[in-house]
Amino acid sequence: NAGVTQTPKFRILKIGQSMTLQCTQDMNHNYMYWYRQDPGMGLKLIYYSVGAGITDKGEVPNGYNVSRSTTEDFPLRLELAAPSQTSVYFCASSYPGGRKTQYFGPGTRLLVL
Amino acid sequence: AQSVTQPDIHITVSEGASLELRCNYSYGATPYLFWYVQSPGQGLQLLLKYFSGDTLVQGIKGFEAEFKRSQSSFNLRKPSVHWSDAAEYFCAVGAPTGGGADGLTFGKGTHLIIQP
Repeated sequence: NAGVTQTPKFRILKIGQSMTLQCTQDMNHNYMYWYRQDPGMGLKLIYYSVGAGITDKGEVPNGYNVSRSTTEDFPLRLELAAPSQTSVYFCASSYPGGRKTQYFGPGTRLLVL
Repeated sequence: AQSVTQPDIHITVSEGASLELRCNYSYGATPYLFWYVQSPGQGLQLLLKYFSGDTLVQGIKGFEAEFKRSQSSFNLRKPSVHWSDAAEYFCAVGAPTGGGADGLTFGKGTHLIIQP
Protein backbone atom coordinates (compact mmCIF):
# COMPACT_ATOMS: atom_id res chain seq x y z
CA ASN A 1 0.00 0.00 0.00
CA ALA A 2 1.56 3.26 -1.14
CA GLY A 3 -1.12 5.30 0.66
CA VAL A 4 -1.40 8.84 -0.68
CA THR A 5 1.12 9.86 -3.31
CA GLN A 6 1.73 13.31 -4.76
CA THR A 7 3.65 14.55 -7.77
CA PRO A 8 5.74 16.55 -8.33
CA LYS A 9 7.69 16.99 -5.11
CA PHE A 10 8.90 20.44 -6.06
CA ARG A 11 8.13 22.88 -8.83
CA ILE A 12 9.04 26.42 -9.77
CA LEU A 13 6.47 28.34 -11.78
CA LYS A 14 6.53 31.74 -13.39
CA ILE A 15 3.71 34.16 -12.70
CA GLY A 16 0.79 33.43 -15.01
CA GLN A 17 1.77 29.86 -15.77
CA SER A 18 -0.53 26.97 -15.04
CA MET A 19 0.06 23.52 -13.62
CA THR A 20 -1.66 20.52 -12.15
CA LEU A 21 -0.68 18.96 -8.86
CA GLN A 22 -1.37 15.25 -8.90
CA CYS A 23 -2.72 13.20 -6.00
CA THR A 24 -3.49 9.49 -5.96
CA GLN A 25 -4.56 7.18 -3.16
CA ASP A 26 -4.76 3.40 -3.21
CA MET A 27 -6.81 2.89 -0.05
CA ASN A 28 -10.19 3.10 -1.81
CA HIS A 29 -11.10 6.13 0.29
CA ASN A 30 -14.18 8.07 -0.75
CA TYR A 31 -13.07 11.40 0.68
CA MET A 32 -10.12 13.42 -0.57
CA TYR A 33 -8.79 16.85 0.35
CA TRP A 34 -6.34 19.52 -0.69
CA TYR A 35 -4.65 21.75 1.89
CA ARG A 36 -2.02 24.41 1.62
CA GLN A 37 0.54 25.03 4.33
CA ASP A 38 2.15 28.42 4.78
CA PRO A 39 4.87 29.08 7.37
CA GLY A 40 3.43 29.67 10.82
CA MET A 41 -0.13 29.32 9.55
CA GLY A 42 -0.96 25.65 9.86
CA LEU A 43 -2.95 23.99 7.08
CA LYS A 44 -5.86 25.57 5.26
CA LEU A 45 -8.44 23.55 3.31
CA ILE A 46 -8.64 24.43 -0.39
CA TYR A 47 -11.10 21.88 -1.80
CA TYR A 48 -12.49 18.52 -0.87
CA SER A 49 -14.39 15.71 -2.57
CA VAL A 50 -16.78 13.10 -1.22
CA GLY A 51 -16.56 10.89 -4.26
CA ALA A 52 -16.11 10.77 -8.01
CA GLY A 53 -17.82 13.71 -9.65
CA ILE A 54 -18.48 15.58 -6.40
CA THR A 55 -16.30 18.41 -5.13
CA ASP A 56 -16.77 21.36 -2.81
CA LYS A 57 -14.90 24.47 -1.75
CA GLY A 58 -12.96 24.74 1.44
CA GLU A 59 -11.68 27.79 3.25
CA VAL A 60 -9.29 29.13 0.56
CA PRO A 61 -10.47 28.00 -2.91
CA ASN A 62 -9.72 31.14 -4.95
CA GLY A 63 -7.21 30.58 -7.73
CA TYR A 64 -7.63 26.81 -7.74
CA ASN A 65 -9.78 24.22 -9.46
CA VAL A 66 -10.29 20.53 -8.86
CA SER A 67 -11.92 17.56 -10.52
CA ARG A 68 -12.57 14.01 -9.40
CA SER A 69 -13.21 11.55 -12.19
CA THR A 70 -12.10 8.44 -10.28
CA THR A 71 -12.00 7.33 -6.66
CA GLU A 72 -8.20 7.22 -6.74
CA ASP A 73 -7.27 10.59 -8.23
CA PHE A 74 -7.89 14.16 -7.11
CA PRO A 75 -5.80 16.66 -9.12
CA LEU A 76 -5.50 20.32 -8.15
CA ARG A 77 -5.22 22.87 -10.96
CA LEU A 78 -3.61 26.29 -10.77
CA GLU A 79 -4.66 28.29 -13.83
CA LEU A 80 -2.78 31.58 -13.46
CA ALA A 81 -0.07 31.17 -10.89
CA ALA A 82 0.52 34.09 -8.53
CA PRO A 83 3.25 34.62 -5.92
CA SER A 84 0.58 34.26 -3.22
CA GLN A 85 0.26 30.61 -4.25
CA THR A 86 3.82 29.87 -3.18
CA SER A 87 3.19 27.22 -0.55
CA VAL A 88 3.41 23.55 0.31
CA TYR A 89 0.38 21.61 -0.87
CA PHE A 90 -0.84 18.48 0.85
CA CYS A 91 -3.37 15.98 -0.37
CA ALA A 92 -5.20 13.77 2.13
CA SER A 93 -7.83 11.07 2.11
CA SER A 94 -10.40 9.67 4.49
CA TYR A 95 -13.34 7.26 4.48
CA PRO A 96 -16.90 7.07 5.79
CA GLY A 97 -16.80 5.84 9.34
CA GLY A 98 -13.27 7.09 9.79
CA ARG A 99 -14.53 10.03 11.84
CA LYS A 100 -12.46 12.44 9.81
CA THR A 101 -9.19 10.64 10.39
CA GLN A 102 -7.16 11.84 7.44
CA TYR A 103 -4.09 10.32 5.83
CA PHE A 104 -1.67 12.69 4.17
CA GLY A 105 0.63 12.56 1.19
CA PRO A 106 4.24 13.80 1.30
CA GLY A 107 3.40 17.22 -0.15
CA THR A 108 4.31 19.33 -3.18
CA ARG A 109 6.45 22.41 -2.63
CA LEU A 110 5.53 25.15 -5.13
CA LEU A 111 7.45 28.34 -5.72
CA VAL A 112 5.91 31.04 -7.94
CA LEU A 113 8.32 33.68 -9.16
CA ALA B 1 -17.10 27.41 13.20
CA GLN B 2 -14.39 25.61 15.10
CA SER B 3 -10.93 26.97 15.83
CA VAL B 4 -7.71 25.62 17.30
CA THR B 5 -5.07 27.45 19.30
CA GLN B 6 -1.59 26.16 19.92
CA PRO B 7 -0.16 28.82 22.25
CA ASP B 8 3.48 27.83 21.89
CA ILE B 9 5.13 28.52 18.54
CA HIS B 10 8.46 27.01 19.67
CA ILE B 11 9.34 24.72 22.56
CA THR B 12 12.85 23.60 23.50
CA VAL B 13 13.26 20.48 25.61
CA SER B 14 16.34 18.58 26.71
CA GLU B 15 16.67 15.02 25.51
CA GLY B 16 15.24 12.68 28.12
CA ALA B 17 13.03 15.35 29.66
CA SER B 18 9.24 15.27 29.63
CA LEU B 19 7.16 17.15 27.11
CA GLU B 20 3.75 18.76 27.05
CA LEU B 21 2.37 20.56 24.01
CA ARG B 22 -0.76 22.59 24.51
CA CYS B 23 -3.86 22.67 22.36
CA ASN B 24 -7.10 24.53 22.99
CA TYR B 25 -10.12 24.39 20.74
CA SER B 26 -13.33 26.28 20.28
CA TYR B 27 -16.42 24.33 19.33
CA GLY B 28 -19.97 24.07 20.61
CA ALA B 29 -19.71 20.37 21.41
CA THR B 30 -16.94 17.83 21.73
CA PRO B 31 -15.21 17.64 18.38
CA TYR B 32 -13.03 14.91 17.00
CA LEU B 33 -9.48 15.71 18.09
CA PHE B 34 -6.17 14.82 16.47
CA TRP B 35 -2.45 15.33 16.85
CA TYR B 36 -0.23 15.09 13.79
CA VAL B 37 3.56 15.29 13.53
CA GLN B 38 5.50 16.66 10.58
CA SER B 39 9.21 15.94 10.28
CA PRO B 40 11.25 18.34 8.14
CA GLY B 41 10.34 18.02 4.47
CA GLN B 42 7.78 15.32 5.17
CA GLY B 43 4.03 14.94 5.19
CA LEU B 44 1.84 14.75 8.27
CA GLN B 45 1.73 11.57 10.29
CA LEU B 46 -1.13 10.82 12.66
CA LEU B 47 0.05 10.47 16.26
CA LEU B 48 -3.27 9.90 17.99
CA LYS B 49 -6.96 10.75 17.96
CA TYR B 50 -9.87 11.18 20.32
CA PHE B 51 -13.51 10.67 19.52
CA SER B 52 -15.20 9.83 22.81
CA GLY B 53 -14.84 7.74 25.96
CA ASP B 54 -11.63 7.47 27.94
CA THR B 55 -10.13 10.94 28.06
CA LEU B 56 -6.54 9.71 28.04
CA VAL B 57 -5.53 8.33 24.66
CA GLN B 58 -2.36 6.57 23.68
CA GLY B 59 -0.66 7.06 20.36
CA ILE B 60 2.39 6.01 18.44
CA LYS B 61 6.00 6.75 19.38
CA GLY B 62 5.18 6.85 23.11
CA PHE B 63 2.90 9.89 22.92
CA GLU B 64 -0.34 10.34 24.81
CA ALA B 65 -2.93 13.10 25.02
CA GLU B 66 -5.58 14.03 27.53
CA PHE B 67 -8.93 15.52 26.65
CA LYS B 68 -10.28 17.97 29.23
CA ARG B 69 -13.77 19.12 28.41
CA SER B 70 -13.85 21.80 31.12
CA GLN B 71 -10.74 23.43 29.66
CA SER B 72 -11.49 22.72 25.98
CA SER B 73 -8.01 21.29 25.78
CA PHE B 74 -6.28 18.32 24.23
CA ASN B 75 -2.66 18.48 25.36
CA LEU B 76 -0.01 16.14 24.01
CA ARG B 77 2.54 14.57 26.36
CA LYS B 78 5.56 12.35 26.30
CA PRO B 79 7.44 11.26 29.43
CA SER B 80 10.92 11.24 27.87
CA VAL B 81 11.75 12.82 24.52
CA HIS B 82 14.29 11.57 22.03
CA TRP B 83 16.27 13.63 19.52
CA SER B 84 14.15 12.07 16.76
CA ASP B 85 11.06 13.79 18.22
CA ALA B 86 12.26 17.14 16.89
CA ALA B 87 9.52 18.14 14.46
CA GLU B 88 6.45 20.32 13.94
CA TYR B 89 3.35 19.22 15.85
CA PHE B 90 -0.17 20.09 14.78
CA CYS B 91 -3.38 19.82 16.72
CA ALA B 92 -6.54 19.51 14.62
CA VAL B 93 -10.26 19.30 15.20
CA GLY B 94 -13.13 17.99 13.13
CA ALA B 95 -16.84 18.57 13.62
CA PRO B 96 -18.57 15.29 14.55
CA THR B 97 -21.18 15.89 11.85
CA GLY B 98 -21.27 15.96 8.08
CA GLY B 99 -20.52 12.29 7.71
CA GLY B 100 -16.81 12.83 7.84
CA ALA B 101 -16.62 14.53 4.48
CA ASP B 102 -15.49 18.04 5.27
CA GLY B 103 -11.98 18.84 6.35
CA LEU B 104 -10.14 19.38 9.60
CA THR B 105 -9.27 22.69 11.22
CA PHE B 106 -5.62 22.88 12.17
CA GLY B 107 -3.71 24.90 14.71
CA LYS B 108 -0.67 26.85 13.56
CA GLY B 109 1.70 24.27 14.93
CA THR B 110 4.37 24.00 17.62
CA HIS B 111 7.98 23.59 16.60
CA LEU B 112 9.76 21.22 18.97
CA ILE B 113 13.51 21.56 19.41
CA ILE B 114 15.46 18.91 21.31
CA GLN B 115 18.63 19.96 23.11
CA PRO B 116 21.33 17.32 23.61
